[in-house]
Amino acid sequence: NAGVTQTPKFQVLKTGQSMTLQCAQDMNHNSMYWYRQDPGMGLRLIYYSASEGTTDKGEVPNGYNVSRLNKREFSLRLESAAPSQTSVYFCASPRYNEQFFGPGTRLTVL
Amino acid sequence: GIQVEQSPPDLILQEGANSTLRCNFSDSVNNLQWFHQNPWGQLINLFYIPSGTKQNGRLSATTVATERYSLLYISSSQTTDSGVYFCAVERMDSSYKLIFGSGTRLLVRP
Repeated sequence: NAGVTQTPKFQVLKTGQSMTLQCAQDMNHNSMYWYRQDPGMGLRLIYYSASEGTTDKGEVPNGYNVSRLNKREFSLRLESAAPSQTSVYFCASPRYNEQFFGPGTRLTVL
Repeated sequence: GIQVEQSPPDLILQEGANSTLRCNFSDSVNNLQWFHQNPWGQLINLFYIPSGTKQNGRLSATTVATERYSLLYISSSQTTDSGVYFCAVERMDSSYKLIFGSGTRLLVRP
């Protein structure tokens, strides 16, 4: 029972490059979430998926796209990375009433 | 939107000391969670506590929902308690979408 897993753990991109962050959960919950954490701040919601086949914007969706591939997997895509997207990205999914977070992906955009 | 304020922003303790961290929120909430972010960036669930009091070892938490605040108590602090403590709330009309405070950064000195 791994909970929430994310890949990769670290990534360095050049401005304009694209990449996809992967997230998987084995808690059998319908909803999944992507957050970003900037230095010295709390997490902010980028996108979420309330169930397979649905996605919705959170607080800071600009510059991102998501795909809910199936019940277990939820990916976050940066089509054209910008330095402002340098951050740590966390995926989350609930178990019972609590949110549980993956280990994070540290992304640097040069 | 809902505002979440944590205090103090920074705290330095000598090992063995006790402390109280506070979280104020500006509207009624469905859910309140406390997290510890360790120096490696991992988010660890401490408490799910929309109301009432819970204890887990040296940590305890109290949420007074009618007065819109929550307190996290750390007793007999240890160096391993160092890190950032986040409070996060979910609005009444939301679905597991958490809004984070900016955290309390705790350093426990040996």
